Amino acid sequence: DAKTTQPPSMDCAEGRAANLPCNHSTISGNEYVYWYRQIHSQGPQYIIHGLKNNETNEMASLIITEDRKSSTLILPHATLRDTAVYYCIVRVGAGGTSYGKLTFGQGTILTVHP
Amino acid sequence: GAGVSQTPSNKVTEKGKYVELRCDPISGHTALYWYRQSLGQGPEFLIYFQGTGAADDSGLPNDRFFAVRPEGSVSTLKIQRTERGDSAVYLCASSLWHGGGNEQFFGPGTRLTVL
Repeated sequence: DAKTTQPPSMDCAEGRAANLPCNHSTISGNEYVYWYRQIHSQGPQYIIHGLKNNETNEMASLIITEDRKSSTLILPHATLRDTAVYYCIVRVGAGGTSYGKLTFGQGTILTVHP
Repeated sequence: GAGVSQTPSNKVTEKGKYVELRCDPISGHTALYWYRQSLGQGPEFLIYFQGTGAADDSGLPNDRFFAVRPEGSVSTLKIQRTERGDSAVYLCASSLWHGGGNEQFFGPGTRLTVL
């Protein structure tokens, strides 16, 4: 799986948009970009994923650059409950070996403050 | 509906003992995954099942670790001759299928402490 690079930590004011960047310059054509988050003492929680196009759901938006070498997770109106570790993961789609597993890095610790 | 459940939530054992950790996936999910998370680290893949068979066990650290899923639903992670370094949170996840577009839903984890 392609390696991802994320900043170790970020801060965001409550009510503002949180923009979390991720670099994945070695991503292959059949690899998806996934975002999970982990709130303290809980299991990881799925947020969103995408292949080529930008995606939006009730939790967040995912912006993938045209060359697919980087992406940004956007939480449009961050709340205190969004404080968590955010993981950007590149995962092989169909046809690859070991395409079931997720390979987590260190993630970004997002702190939302009042 | 019910999410992924794991039992026990906490397990304390002594070095050298045998432990079993159980995972109940979401009903209808054919893929099941085990991960291990040490303090301050991201989860680390151990093994995953598609149905009853282990599709990828490349993350199991050594032959003291073994997992089964005999009926394609509940899975048990077994650790023999536990060592202090096995102390971690063991996470289970399930998905409808193991393909790349399928999200994994995680359970709360079992915190294993080896004294």
